[in-house]
Amino acid sequence: EVQLVETGGGLVQPGRSLKLSCVASGFTFNNYWMSWTRQAPGKGLEWVASITNSGGSTYYPDSVKGRFTISRDNAQNTLYLQMNSLRSEDTATYYCTREGVMDAWGQGASVTVSS
Amino acid sequence: DIQMTQSPPSLSASLGDKVTITCQASQNINKYIAWYQQKPGKAPRLLIRYTSTLESGTPSRFSGSGSGRDYSFSISNVESEDIASYYCLQYVNLNTFGAGTKLELK
Repeated sequence: EVQLVETGGGLVQPGRSLKLSCVASGFTFNNYWMSWTRQAPGKGLEWVASITNSGGSTYYPDSVKGRFTISRDNAQNTLYLQMNSLRSEDTATYYCTREGVMDAWGQGASVTVSS
Repeated sequence: DIQMTQSPPSLSASLGDKVTITCQASQNINKYIAWYQQKPGKAPRLLIRYTSTLESGTPSRFSGSGSGRDYSFSISNVESEDIASYYCLQYVNLNTFGAGTKLELK
């Protein structure tokens, strides 16, 4: 069974940093691109970052480019999202997802940016 | 960047109705569109990929069609368990979601 489990969410002050982790199981992690997608409270879904299966290339929308960094450790079957210079508008549930088609989702990690 | 225009934002239906949601891409996405169902407090669930391919476990009352820039998603014979929000996603060039459609019971 494919499983994605996110950890690392919490309350953080504006301008500070936070790092999310996602541990994958039930599939061959290093065969798949992985992504992060977020959902602000009461809002729609927004793609946040993607990384190729080798980790050699990463992609971001303009809303987080330069502030967020996606990375992976294929030996540990773990995906990461380093979030710097956090803003109130980054408050959301962050989901770890598999492949461009996002055929598997974690349960989500809640991030609240507030003073 | 590819934009996805999803409509309507909300939909009210009676049990047994057929409902249709549309997504228009800002450019040809070559059928690389997926549809998701999300219930409150839960992660989205992939229902359909590549325009019309149903995922394992997706009931046959769900369907998708389209080509080029224009795509649609339908639920025939709406059931109470279908009350949820629905999103389209293009995945031909990175990812862009539609704004979502909230399906409610009339």
